[in-house]
Amino acid sequence: QKEVEQNSGPLSVPEGAIASLNCTYSDRGSQSFFWYRQYSGKSPELIMSIYSNGDKEDGRFTAQLNKASQYVSLLIRDSQPSDSATYLCAVNYPNTGNQFYFGTGTSLTVIP
Amino acid sequence: ETGVTQSPTHLIKTRGQQVTLRCSSQSGHNTVSWYQQALGQGPQFIFQYYREEENGRGNFPPRFSGLQFPNYSSELNVNALELDDSALYLCASSEAAPPYEQYFGPGTRLTVT
Repeated sequence: QKEVEQNSGPLSVPEGAIASLNCTYSDRGSQSFFWYRQYSGKSPELIMSIYSNGDKEDGRFTAQLNKASQYVSLLIRDSQPSDSATYLCAVNYPNTGNQFYFGTGTSLTVIP
Repeated sequence: ETGVTQSPTHLIKTRGQQVTLRCSSQSGHNTVSWYQQALGQGPQFIFQYYREEENGRGNFPPRFSGLQFPNYSSELNVNALELDDSALYLCASSEAAPPYEQYFGPGTRLTVT
């Protein structure tokens, strides 16, 4: 069973704070991990991808991967009200080609 | 660079009817994946097409079928529509090589009454 688990939230943080979003996955052999942002009524937008253990930073976003713990996270620094959205974690499982499995998403609200 | 486009934007159908949704992939991408997203859920993988062949399928019945054309655009067909088919249908395109990043179109909102 290919599972991707996320806390559904809602997660609320004040403007300027760090938002931390977490995701676990079931298959230790997974190689590629992705974070998407989805605004209400819109389609998912790719924020970051990560493939190696450790941290990957892009602007205010940092993805963290720990394959041993089967855990991937997304940190959003200096959170802005425009970051309020649902954040989806996606995993590319091995031997499935380019097929993504998504979690149910974490709803984030940044309070001005 | 042209992004992923989908048509139509919204669609209302009656139970038992058939529907065809269309997707044009992003320039340079040769792989198209289709997803169904119910309200409050993450996208569920339906199937993927690469070089006009189905390249994997999720847990969806055979009444969900698809095509990919030589220009890499794609169609999703759903026969014998059921009320539970009401959802946002998403198309995503990608290259057939790492990093396998998928880029989504705006989606088609299907309502079955």
